[in-house]
Amino acid sequence: QVTLKESGPGILQPSQTLSLTCSFSGFSLSTYGMCVGWIRQSSGKGLEWLANIWWNDDKYYNPSLKNRLTISKDTSNNQAFLKITNMDTADTATYYCARDRAFFDYWGQGVMVTVSS
Amino acid sequence: DIVMTQSPSSLAVSAGETVTINCKSSQSLLSSGNQKNYLAWYQQKPGQSPKLLIYLASTRESGVPDRFIGSGSGTDFTLTISSVQAEDLADYYCQQHYSYPTFGAGTKLELK
Repeated sequence: QVTLKESGPGILQPSQTLSLTCSFSGFSLSTYGMCVGWIRQSSGKGLEWLANIWWNDDKYYNPSLKNRLTISKDTSNNQAFLKITNMDTADTATYYCARDRAFFDYWGQGVMVTVSS
Repeated sequence: DIVMTQSPSSLAVSAGETVTINCKSSQSLLSSGNQKNYLAWYQQKPGQSPKLLIYLASTRESGVPDRFIGSGSGTDFTLTISSVQAEDLADYYCQQHYSYPTFGAGTKLELK
């Protein structure tokens, strides 16, 4: 059974760095072809893909946010991470991690992140 | 970016009706290498995560009722829901994965 769960700070101030953790089970990011992605959803911009990381540590980023994003993984603990620097109120959203098979077949429950001073 | 344009943005239906949601991409999603269209459909109910319904344009995910049908190729795709049930009232999104993923703006299915 595949499950994913996101965790994060909930609220942070403008200019701070957001650190998110995706803890998953039912598959391994050391398995050939496996990939985990991060997607966010805000009322203003809908669903927006942010980044993904592959079993071989290849990483891909949304070009519009690439300078602010860092994705990484801890294979032994079945976790993936996303950092977003210089957060702004426009980054207020629900952040999801999902298993990426060229489509997102399993999603976490999401973590709401609010950026406010 | 590949821009995904969904229509309509909202749709009011009665139970038992058949509905069609359209999704148009700004460039072809058909891979010349394997002849597959990299287009997926998701359903999202209030307070829940998106749920995968259809992938590769027409392949139904395991456990998805057969009243959900995906079709289309190239740049034009359709999600058809036959005999809509109350549990189908939700937001629906298309998503391409031909290049880095992008989503449509969504279609809200409401009760008439």
